[in-house]
Amino acid sequence: QLVLTQSPSASASLGASVKLTCTLSSGHSSYAIAWHQQQPEKGPRFLMRLNSDGSHTKGDGIPDRFSGSDSGAERYLTISSLQSQDEADYYCQTWGTGINWVFGGGTKLTVL
Amino acid sequence: EVQLVESGGGLVQPGRSLRLSCAASGFTFDDYAMHWVRQAPGKGLEWVSGISWNSVTTDYADSVKGRFTISRDNAKNSLYLQMNSLRAEDTALYYCAKGGHSSGYYYGHFDYWGQGTLVTVSS
Repeated sequence: QLVLTQSPSASASLGASVKLTCTLSSGHSSYAIAWHQQQPEKGPRFLMRLNSDGSHTKGDGIPDRFSGSDSGAERYLTISSLQSQDEADYYCQTWGTGINWVFGGGTKLTVL
Repeated sequence: EVQLVESGGGLVQPGRSLRLSCAASGFTFDDYAMHWVRQAPGKGLEWVSGISWNSVTTDYADSVKGRFTISRDNAKNSLYLQMNSLRAEDTALYYCAKGGHSSGYYYGHFDYWGQGTLVTVSS
């Protein structure tokens, strides 16, 4: 069974950078993932897709402050020059035959 | 501009039925798989159901299998979710989401989301 693990919370100061982590369960380290942002009281917004070869595709209008990377079974979302509107929940997502679509539990980012 | 607008939510008693709709615009609807995702109050995202561009393939989360039915009408650019035998644990905000790949791809990320429609199951 594929599980995506995210830390429940993270915090960083205005103008700083933060790196959020999504960990794929054992045996699934080659899966691509997507990152989604959900601001308070809003629907989710697609940020980017991270492929297992390290390439990525961003959503429409997503600023360069948002970037993705990976290492083994870990997938990262880095947000630089943090702004107040970056305070949100961030979810990772993966998919595949036999697993359908799976979301991580989400990370609540607080901008201090 | 891609737009997904859900409707049909409301308060319903346990055991009753409800049909959700999602009106899509701004893209070639019949090129993409579509999905329903829900979010219980204060909780995370849970994928509910998906349908391929041509309705040949449908899938469901175990939690709704046998009770929910996904469908689409490509002529009307619309996605539906028929929810039967509703339970209290089905209470959630239901989002419509667009598959990220065209040309018949079924599996992949979601690249657009609606604003959601709230379903409350309570007596």
